[in-house]
Amino acid sequence: NAGVTQTPKFRVLKTGQSMTLLCAQDMNHEYMYWYRQDPGMGLRLIHYSVGEGTTAKGEVPDGYNVSRLKKQNFLLGLESAAPSQTSVYFCASSYSPQGAFHEQYFGPGTRLTVT
Amino acid sequence: AQSVAQPEDQVNVAEGNPLTVKCTYSVSGNPYLFWYVQYPNRGLQFLLKYITGDNLVKGSYGFEAEFNKSQTSFHLKKPSALVSDSALYFCAVRDRGEGDMRFGAGTRLTVKP
Repeated sequence: NAGVTQTPKFRVLKTGQSMTLLCAQDMNHEYMYWYRQDPGMGLRLIHYSVGEGTTAKGEVPDGYNVSRLKKQNFLLGLESAAPSQTSVYFCASSYSPQGAFHEQYFGPGTRLTVT
Repeated sequence: AQSVAQPEDQVNVAEGNPLTVKCTYSVSGNPYLFWYVQYPNRGLQFLLKYITGDNLVKGSYGFEAEFNKSQTSFHLKKPSALVSDSALYFCAVRDRGEGDMRFGAGTRLTVKP
C-alpha cells in the first residue's frame, strides 16, 4: 500500500498563475481532505469530500476549488494564486465517519511558494 | 464549533525524563480526541485517540494520553523520553455530531541527550 500520495512535492508559482495539486489514496477511504499548514496555526481545513462526486467547504475555502471525480483521487485547484497561499498543503483520507472517530491518514505534503 | 488549544509552543525535556504535552479542547457535545506527530518534512502520523471508555489511552511508541472531562483536557504523556521523540505534536478534536476535525497549533517537543 502506498497510502496517501501527493503530486507535486514542491512548486513555485507567480501571482496570478493557476495549478492543480493531486492527491491519491489506495485504502478505499470514503472521506478525503485538503489542509494547509502555516507556522503557528496548525492545520486548517480547506475543503473535504465525503464521497465520489461530492465536496464541501472547510474552514478556509476561499481561493481554492476541489473535485472528486474518482473515489481514490481528490484534486485541489488554485485558479489565480496569491502570495497568501504560500503554504504547505496536506491531503488526508479516512474511513466514513459514521465513524467520526476514525483517524486520518496524511500524505507527505506539497510545499507551494507564490511569488 | 469545536476548538483546540495547545498552550505550549515548545517543550524541552532531557532524555529519560517523563514528558507531557498539554491539550485542552472545547466542543458543544462529546468529543473524539486525537494526537498526531509530525517529523520534519513529513505528513502527520496518528499516535492515539480517545473515543469512549477508559480515560487513559495507550498509543504508538509508548505514548499515552489521559482524557479529563471536567478539565476538558487530553494531555499526551510518556514515562521516559527518547531523543527520537523530538518532533511536532498536534492535538485534534472532533465533535461526535459534526464532520470537521480541528487541530491545535502544535507543540514542538525537543528531547536533549
